[in-house]
Amino acid sequence: GENVEQHPSTLSVQEGDSAVIKCTYSDSASNYFPWYKQELGKRPQLIIDIRSNVGEKKDQRIAVTLNKTAKHFSLHITETQPEDSAVYFCAASIPGGYQKVTFGTGTKLQVIP
Amino acid sequence: NAGVTQTPKFRILKIGQSMTLQCTQDMNHNYMYWYRQDPGMGLKLIYYSVGAGITDKGEVPNGYNVSRSTTEDFPLRLELAAPSQTSVYFCASSTVLGDTEAFFGQGTRLTVV
Repeated sequence: GENVEQHPSTLSVQEGDSAVIKCTYSDSASNYFPWYKQELGKRPQLIIDIRSNVGEKKDQRIAVTLNKTAKHFSLHITETQPEDSAVYFCAASIPGGYQKVTFGTGTKLQVIP
Repeated sequence: NAGVTQTPKFRILKIGQSMTLQCTQDMNHNYMYWYRQDPGMGLKLIYYSVGAGITDKGEVPNGYNVSRSTTEDFPLRLELAAPSQTSVYFCASSTVLGDTEAFFGQGTRLTVV
């Protein structure tokens, strides 16, 4: 089955700096890669996603890059703000009769004012 | 717009007791999921459903049961609760099976003592 590894598990940055979270996946058939943000005590919410036919996608301060050859994808947050502090989860999805979504183990991001 | 609603938010069970976690969505999504979230372990799929009357096992189904009698409701049943079932449980729904954004409920924190 699919295996998704996520690094680092914790990340502290100064406000205004950039943050990068990396994920690798094992199954080359994976074709959908969402990123979820989970604030403390709240539900996960989608912040950005990318499909396998696209190499990069941006949404304001957030961007995701995908390298299919290396089977890894990354979340980039620029100009970090205290409200970016949360746990971020990557996921990879494999097409098929049941399109299985496998989540990474999460990265706790702390933005220090 | 309520989205996905879970009840209860918190529950303490004694070993061997049973309970049902309720989940309702008002977005007319065919696909629904139950996940458990353990510290540092990401989200693990327990069961999923592709429509009323159709359910299937995910990665960690042992000790749980589900039913889907309507499009809106997807309850999760815990029989003979064990300490290993202490976790945060999330219900989610989506328009497409695994290939698009999943909308999560607010979670249920369950402790088995």
